[in-house]
Amino acid sequence: DVVMTQSPDSLAVSLGERATIDCKSSQSVLYSSNNKNYLAWYQQKPGQPPRLLIYWASTRESGVPDRFSGSVSGTDFTLTISSLQAEDVAVYYCQQYYTIPHTFGQGTKLEIK
Amino acid sequence: EVQLVESGGGLVQPGGSLRLSCAASGFTFSTYTMNWVRQAPGKGLEWISYISGSSTTIYYTDSVKGRFTISRDNAKNSLYLQMNSLRDEDTAVYYCARNREPAPNDHWGQGTLVTVSS
Repeated sequence: DVVMTQSPDSLAVSLGERATIDCKSSQSVLYSSNNKNYLAWYQQKPGQPPRLLIYWASTRESGVPDRFSGSVSGTDFTLTISSLQAEDVAVYYCQQYYTIPHTFGQGTKLEIK
Repeated sequence: EVQLVESGGGLVQPGGSLRLSCAASGFTFSTYTMNWVRQAPGKGLEWISYISGSSTTIYYTDSVKGRFTISRDNAKNSLYLQMNSLRDEDTAVYYCARNREPAPNDHWGQGTLVTVSS
């Protein structure tokens, strides 16, 4: 199985500041035929189901604020929130959907400092 | 508006069975692949099963293989998860989620809680 490892496990950032969450895959999730990384990011607020933010490592889902962005370097993926808002407090998960099983990272809890 | 509504959760003894349902509306259900994802209390997300639109392709994670069966009825716009030989570690909120190529899990239900306990 592809192991997805997120860091840090928790993070506290001041309002208006940048937040970055990392996710590393144990093997490549790059599909060579289209040169796309099959990596998604989700946001989950307490008592709610997850919400898709980013797919293909850097494509923002419709309706997601542009302060959310995704980037990739090899098997290292990053979710960046450029200017933290109060409503961004949540747990964030990465997921690879390149190969079965479609494994998730363990989650990163983001709080306000 | 896309809606996914799970039902069928509850308390079941170890070794027991349960059938979860996911009622879909607001989209052409038969043209979308679907997933079941679960979340144990206070824990992270775990993908458990996938089914294609025509049910011809099905996948499971190893921990449920041989015990759980995913299926769908496109005429009823419904997705199912038959869970047999339930274990304590199957206790979780179970979500159904839609895949919208190329985006995975673009819509989720609110989840249904399954508690396996004696």
